[in-house]
Amino acid sequence: QVTLKESGPGILQPSQTLSLTCTFSGFSLSTYGMGVGWIRQPSGKGLEWLANIWWDDDKYYNPSLKNRLTISKDTSNNQAFLKITNVDTADTATYYCARIVDYYDGRRYYVMDAWGQGASVTVSS
Amino acid sequence: ETVMTQSPTSMSTSIGERVTLNCKASQSVGINVDWYQQTPGQSPKLLIYGASNRHTGVPDRFTGSGFGRDFTLTISNMEAEDLAVYYCLQYGSIPWTFGGGTKLELK
Repeated sequence: QVTLKESGPGILQPSQTLSLTCTFSGFSLSTYGMGVGWIRQPSGKGLEWLANIWWDDDKYYNPSLKNRLTISKDTSNNQAFLKITNVDTADTATYYCARIVDYYDGRRYYVMDAWGQGASVTVSS
Repeated sequence: ETVMTQSPTSMSTSIGERVTLNCKASQSVGINVDWYQQTPGQSPKLLIYGASNRHTGVPDRFTGSGFGRDFTLTISNMEAEDLAVYYCLQYGSIPWTFGGGTKLELK
């Protein structure tokens, strides 16, 4: 059974750095084709993809966040991390991590087939 | 960036009704589209991947179709548990982008 759980500071002040941890079980980020993605959702609004990290340490970021993002992993402890620098109130949201499987059966698919419960983050002075 | 536009943004439905949700990409994304369902207070859940493949355990009343720029999610026989917000996602190019969502409500 695949499970993921996000953890974060809850509340932080503008200009600080947001550090999020995704602790997972049921798969390994050293296994070929596995990845973890971060997605956020402001209250009452839609989903925004932020970043992915893959088993081979490939990383992809949403350029709209202008180099504020850093994604990383600790394979031995089954964790993935996301840092967002210089936060402001627009970064207030629920942050989700999700397992991504790079699946091939003659065609290639990326599937986010398991999600964490989300971590609520509020940026406020 | 590929913009995904979902329509309608909300829809009033009845139990047993056939429901069609639309998602249009600003440029071709092939079959690189997934559909997710989010019920109130819950995390999104994968329904359809690769435009038309039902994820494990998803009821067969959910059907995805489309290629290129136009995609559809159909619920053949609406059930109360299907009241949710539905999002399409394209992963054909970076950044991956979600549609704005379609909210299904009861009439």
